[in-house]
Amino acid sequence: KAGVTQTPRYLIKTRGQQVTLSCSPISGHRSVSWYQQTPGQGLQFLFEYFSETQRNKGNFPGRFSGRQFSNSRSEMNVSTLELGDSALYLCASRPGSIGVDTQYFGPGTRLTVL
Amino acid sequence: GQQLNQSPQSMFIQEGEDVSMNCTSSSIFNTWLWYKQDPGEGPVLLIALYKAGELTSNGRLTAQFGITRKDSFLNISASIPSDVGIYFCAGQLDSNYQLIWGAGTKLIIKP
Repeated sequence: KAGVTQTPRYLIKTRGQQVTLSCSPISGHRSVSWYQQTPGQGLQFLFEYFSETQRNKGNFPGRFSGRQFSNSRSEMNVSTLELGDSALYLCASRPGSIGVDTQYFGPGTRLTVL
Repeated sequence: GQQLNQSPQSMFIQEGEDVSMNCTSSSIFNTWLWYKQDPGEGPVLLIALYKAGELTSNGRLTAQFGITRKDSFLNISASIPSDVGIYFCAGQLDSNYQLIWGAGTKLIIKP
């Protein structure tokens, strides 16, 4: 079974631009969560989507948004990029709406904002 | 955002040594998870703990869920080169299903 895939793997943008990241979950998984990882800060939860609906949201500004499609693929968008948005963005998928221990992570998209 | 206190931040050890790291929080958790992240990869689940006092092993790894439900530790026995990486703890809050993450422990094996 294919794992979680994220595209692109690397991205360089400049301040003020916007960016869209994509995540394809494991086949059959309906929940997709997004995390921001910065050195020394661990993972910060952005939001979770289940069956095309946002179920949970972390403490990030409105510039960070996401959506999920009917095939469970998810996209995350960051508008008006800031230098501090440089990070590794991870998505994780799991079969259902509960059981966070069942989630599998993708390799991440490394975003650099210049 | 809210975080767990994970320590140490990094460890330099000799191959064959035992390793211990822990996480503490002021919040009560109903689940503790330990992950390992290799360079260029996402975190991979090592051990999941569901009950206070629970002690669980996965090969050379052993983790425990603290009695107070506010802490957990991970031990690695007889470390080998492939153990290098960043280890994260994560706790699931009792009030919702969101995971709270530690900042990670970077394990480096001295040549």
